Amino acid sequence: NAGVMQNPRHLVRRRGQEARLRCSPMKGHSHVYWYRQLPEEGLKFMVYLQKENIIDESGMPKERFSAEFPKEGPSILRIQQVVRGDSAAYFCASSRTGSTEAFFGQGTRLTVV
Amino acid sequence: GENVEQHPSTLSVQEGDSAVIKCTYSDSASNYFPWYKQELGKRPQLIIDIRSNVGEKKDQRIAVTLNKTAKHFSLHITETQPEDSAVYFCAGSDQTGANNLFFGTGTRLTVIP
Repeated sequence: NAGVMQNPRHLVRRRGQEARLRCSPMKGHSHVYWYRQLPEEGLKFMVYLQKENIIDESGMPKERFSAEFPKEGPSILRIQQVVRGDSAAYFCASSRTGSTEAFFGQGTRLTVV
Repeated sequence: GENVEQHPSTLSVQEGDSAVIKCTYSDSASNYFPWYKQELGKRPQLIIDIRSNVGEKKDQRIAVTLNKTAKHFSLHITETQPEDSAVYFCAGSDQTGANNLFFGTGTRLTVIP
């Protein structure tokens, strides 16, 4: 089992560009969670998805951010028109139905220049 | 959603001494409390967890206690070693069977050899 895979590991975008972060959950896991970690800060919940459904997006900024978890393929966190304040590490985690244990990916470090 | 507070933000101990990190939570419905360890530049990794039907859980040098009445839980590391140096995050989950965790702000533990 390869674990939770995130790519890219590092992403540099200029202000105004779009950032796409990908997360492939562990095999057999159908729950995906995205977290944002600002430098020297904790993990902030953003969104919880199951296949083709957004279950809880209470942590997502109202504008420019969106997430999906299609029937096939990885979960995608999309940030449109990035700004410097979006620079952070974005972690996804996955869990399987009936389990509360979440496994984290290695994160994508987004730098907006 | 849940609000988890964590103290202290930094903690330094001599090798061999014990370290204690405390967290409080706000939602009495929370029933799952994991602890994650994050080494510099790496993913958070689950080290121990406790559910609301248990008051204490131990795994070798690590133990966690939970006081449901007071809504606080603590991580205890005994006989600390330099490799215990990391940032530790507590978290709470307010949904049964799901895992959109709400994290504390983290404690940077330094074990001095």
